[in-house]
Amino acid sequence: SQQGEEDPQALSIQEGENATMNCSYKTSINNLQWYRQNSGRGLVHLILIRSNEREKHSGRLRVTLDTSKKSSSLLITASRAADTASYFCATVPLLSYKYIFGTGTRLKVLA
Amino acid sequence: DAGVIQSPRHEVTEMGQEVTLRCKPISGHDYLFWYRQTMMRGLELLIYFNNNVPIDDSGMPEDRFSAKMPNASFSTLKIQPSEPRDSAVYFCASSLTGGRTEAFFGQGTRLTVV
Repeated sequence: SQQGEEDPQALSIQEGENATMNCSYKTSINNLQWYRQNSGRGLVHLILIRSNEREKHSGRLRVTLDTSKKSSSLLITASRAADTASYFCATVPLLSYKYIFGTGTRLKVLA
Repeated sequence: DAGVIQSPRHEVTEMGQEVTLRCKPISGHDYLFWYRQTMMRGLELLIYFNNNVPIDDSGMPEDRFSAKMPNASFSTLKIQPSEPRDSAVYFCASSLTGGRTEAFFGQGTRLTVV
């Protein structure tokens, strides 16, 4: 399967703490994207990092990409109860225009 | 724009019946994707279109599944005949330039085949 793997599968933290989730993938990529899914809803795009970038920030989100290890991480700082959701990485393979989604991390932020 | 619109939101059907899921992408988006989400298999790409032309249908599970995009503002995913193992949430997504930019997802159609 081309599907990426994310870990942990589930994460439970206290409000105010940082949450880190990791994504590993198998093929060479054009870019990697992170999405969020609230229960019963569609996915919402969070951030895109290109293969020639190593780090990117957006508000409380920080994404890193290591193409030599074929891995990425998403850090959410100062988490809030409203951050409770599932988070997915999606890779776009080189020479392709499709999104391959990972298995997801279920994040629960306790108030 | 109202975003990607899918219908119906929920569908319950009996095994053997034909099911048609519908999607209206965001106006101006050239790419449309159909995904299926289950607990066991996660988010699977079924098929995607560029300018109404199917580009990659390698994820379509079997001949019972078919997808069309007759024009830039409408796509359908049809299952005939449906089976209980087709029960899942089906998502449609669209994007301006495919994977080079973000994908916008619809709310999904929850399909239950009994």
